[in-house]
Amino acid sequence: DSGVTQTPKHLITATGQRVTLRCSPRSGDLSVYWYQQSLDQGLQFLIQYYNGEERAKGNILERFSAQQFPDLHSELNLSSLELGDSALYFCASSAGQGGQPQHFGDGTRLSIL
Amino acid sequence: AQKVTQAQTEISVVEKEDVTLDCVYETRDTTYYLFWYKQPPSGELVFLIRRNSFDEQNEISGRYSWNFQKSTSSFNFTITASQVVDSAVYFCALTNYGGATNKLIFGTGTLLAVQP
Repeated sequence: DSGVTQTPKHLITATGQRVTLRCSPRSGDLSVYWYQQSLDQGLQFLIQYYNGEERAKGNILERFSAQQFPDLHSELNLSSLELGDSALYFCASSAGQGGQPQHFGDGTRLSIL
Repeated sequence: AQKVTQAQTEISVVEKEDVTLDCVYETRDTTYYLFWYKQPPSGELVFLIRRNSFDEQNEISGRYSWNFQKSTSSFNFTITASQVVDSAVYFCALTNYGGATNKLIFGTGTLLAVQP
């Protein structure tokens, strides 16, 4: 058990819809990261938050947004969903910056029908 | 630009064989970290090891060992006396140190299948 909690584990929805993925980091961790894992793109970094502030953006679509709340949990919002958004979305957390190991949640598997 | 290459897409071995998973990285940073993660069939990503660019000592943890060589930009992972439970996808990853972010750059992964 990594200590990172992601909900829901599975999500099935239709094109054009909007979903919210939730992540609770390990106790004490200030950094939260979101990654997308798909067959064609592999594991790709989406976005990072540190203590409530956005720290870095990766290959995140404009239809996607995220935030980190004062209690440090984070949400990833995906809107106007397309078939190609079907993927496994991981949240990870680390104590801070400087290369500390990132510990991953079990992921949310998103299926777009 | 940073890049991680895992040239071995899939490896199949018989239980008790030793197996080495290769990882080659590219970075312009002088200080960086390298990682190995395991993704079993259940799907979660499990942290295995972190190595910083200043420490080239090899590391051994039970049946697992890691060989870091800056001269060849490689960070290889060896499993000794493999077991069926080692079957998984293994990812090598890279991050810089001291920058605005320590996002992980992942390789494409190596699928290891250990046959009984």
